[in-house]
Amino acid sequence: DTEVTQTPKHLVMGMTNKKSLKCEQHMGHRAMYWYKQKAKKPPELMFVYSYEKLSINESVPSRFSPECPNSSLLNLHLHALQPEDSALYLCASSPRSIQVPANTEAFFGQGTRLTVV
Amino acid sequence: DAKTTQPPSMDCAEGRAANLPCNHSTISGNEYVYWYRQIHSQGPQYIIHGLKNNETNEMASLIITEDRKSSTLILPHATLRDTAVYYCIVRPGVWSGAGSYQLTFGKGTKLSVIP
Repeated sequence: DTEVTQTPKHLVMGMTNKKSLKCEQHMGHRAMYWYKQKAKKPPELMFVYSYEKLSINESVPSRFSPECPNSSLLNLHLHALQPEDSALYLCASSPRSIQVPANTEAFFGQGTRLTVV
Repeated sequence: DAKTTQPPSMDCAEGRAANLPCNHSTISGNEYVYWYRQIHSQGPQYIIHGLKNNETNEMASLIITEDRKSSTLILPHATLRDTAVYYCIVRPGVWSGAGSYQLTFGKGTKLSVIP
C-alpha cells in the first residue's frame, strides 16, 4: 500500500465553523506534512511532523491546528477561517529515520479542496 | 526559498521526447535533484531523483551535468496524460535537522502535450 488517503475530498465551510481534515498512511512513514496550494501556485509547506511530534511550523496562523494522534494519522483542525484560506490542502509522508537516508521519495495524497464562504 | 530555476511553460508533440531543463547552480555536494509532477487538481507525484549519475526508471530519465549545476528530465514518448506541472527540487541527502526531509517547491514548468 503506497497510498496517502485524504478526507474529505471537498469541503465548504463558513467562517464560524470548525472542521477537520484527515490524512492516513500505512507505509510506516514517520514524517508527515501539510502543504497548502493556492490556484496556479506551487505547494507551500505548512507543518512537518517527525515521529508524531511537530518539528516545523512555517508561521502558520493559529486558526490552523495540526494534530498527529499516531504514526498513521495526521489531522488539520480548522477554526474561524477566512475566505483567503480557500485552497487545496495536501498531505504527504516520507520515511524518517537516521538509518534511512534522506534520498527517499515523499508520497502525496490527492488533497482536500477547501472553500471558505 | 526554492533553489531551482525552470522555464514557466513548454509544449511537446505527442509521441515525441519531452526535455525539461532545470538550473540548480547553488546545489551542494550532498543534495539530490528530485522531480515531481502535478496533474491538474491532483497531488504531486514522484518521478525520479539522482545525485550525480544519470538515472532512468519506467517513467523518465534524468540527466545531470558533470558540474551538477543543471539537469534535464526526459519523458521519452510524451502522451496527453503527461500534461502537468513539473517541479525540479533540490533536497539534502543526509539528515541535518527537522527540515531535511521537506520538499520546497518552485514555480515549475507547465508541460502541454499537443496531439
